Order: sequence, then C-alpha cells, then structure tokens
Amino acid sequence: DAKTTQPPSMDCAEGRAANLPCNHSTISGNEYVYWYRQIHSQGPQYIIHGLKNNETNEMASLIITEDRKSSTLILPHATLRDTAVYYCIVRARGFGNEKLTFGTGTRLTIIP
Amino acid sequence: GAGVSQSPSNKVTEKGKDVELRCDPISGHTALYWYRQSLGQGLEFLIYFQGNSAPDKSGLPSDRFSAERTGGSVSTLTIQRTQQEDSAVYLCASSFSGTDYNEQFFGPGTRLTVL
Repeated sequence: DAKTTQPPSMDCAEGRAANLPCNHSTISGNEYVYWYRQIHSQGPQYIIHGLKNNETNEMASLIITEDRKSSTLILPHATLRDTAVYYCIVRARGFGNEKLTFGTGTRLTIIP
Repeated sequence: GAGVSQSPSNKVTEKGKDVELRCDPISGHTALYWYRQSLGQGLEFLIYFQGNSAPDKSGLPSDRFSAERTGGSVSTLTIQRTQQEDSAVYLCASSFSGTDYNEQFFGPGTRLTVL
C-alpha cells in the first residue's frame, strides 16, 4: 500500500507557482520522499527527491516539514506542459527497497 | 543519449495467446524494473532485476507471467495464455543501481490489448 496521501486533483493558472502537497505521516527515518510525474500517454518522469532538507533543481523545489510528515512540491512558474499526474512516493535505500510504490497521485491541470 | 526503449509500442492479441514484450534499458544501468498500469489498478510493480538476477518478483500476478534479462541489458516480459484482465500498459524502467537513491528512467510503455 502507498504510504502517501495526495489530493486527487488541482488546478493552477499558467505562470503561477503550483504547490502540490503530500502527507506521509508514517515515514521512517531512512525513507526518502520522491516525486514523479506522468504526462498523458508517457512513462513516469523523475522530478526530485529529498530526505530532510529542502531541495531544488531545474524542474522544481521540494519543501519537507521539520517533522518530515508532509512535503510540498513547488513548480515555480507553471506552464501548460506541466499538466500531468504527480506522484509522491516514499522509499528507503537498500536491499528490498528497490521498487517504487505509486499511489493515485494528484492530477494537476494548468489553466491558460 | 538514448533513453529506455520498449517494443512493440502496441500489441493486440487474442485471449489464450502468448505475448513477449521487450525492454532495452539505458546503457550502463544495472537495475531494471517492470511495472504495469491498468485503468482499475493504477501503476503497480511487477519485477526487479539487478544484473541478470531477479531478487524481487513479488509483483508478478500469476505464474503466467515471467521475465528474463540477458547480458545485463535487454529484458523480455512474457505473458502466457493471455487473459482480458492482462490488458494494460506495461512500463519498463532502469537505473544505475536498485538499492541507492538513483532515479528510475521509464520507457514509453507497451500497450497490450487482449481481445
């Protein structure tokens, strides 16, 4: 079973910041938070991951609360091409933890 | 460089036939994964390879499903005696290592339709 809870859908205006929340209240100390997205008819695409510090890359920023029970993915200037299903996944490193367990994700729609 | 490729992109078969789905991972990636995505089940893990070995086959839904990987590269997922509930998009992914935090790169998938 997925260990994360996400809203089923969200809308965001083009050019605005999209903030996607994820609840992972049962996360363990050795589990990372990963974000993937899936654009229609394509395979999932990695976005970002983090353990406890906030992370930023060319695609997005990841804000993890101090207690690590929730996180927010931020797309700073959303474009129409960011319309996709976004998956928040928790996963530990090491043997037996190789697979990704996808939940139902958040369907983000960018509005022109 | 080239990403993960899968073939065929679409496969239509009759119930009871066997099918083979192919995955070419990114060169140098030792870990390879198969997932499937169906309307009712979402994205679910099937099997994981590290090199040519499959330490995790826990997601294979029945003994009609099998997979192999040769030369630490190409993998084939075989479904015997296909059933209508096998209809789904079968996704392959690869990464540098399975046990580290490396991202998984996904292919475009094979859409399987069982009539």
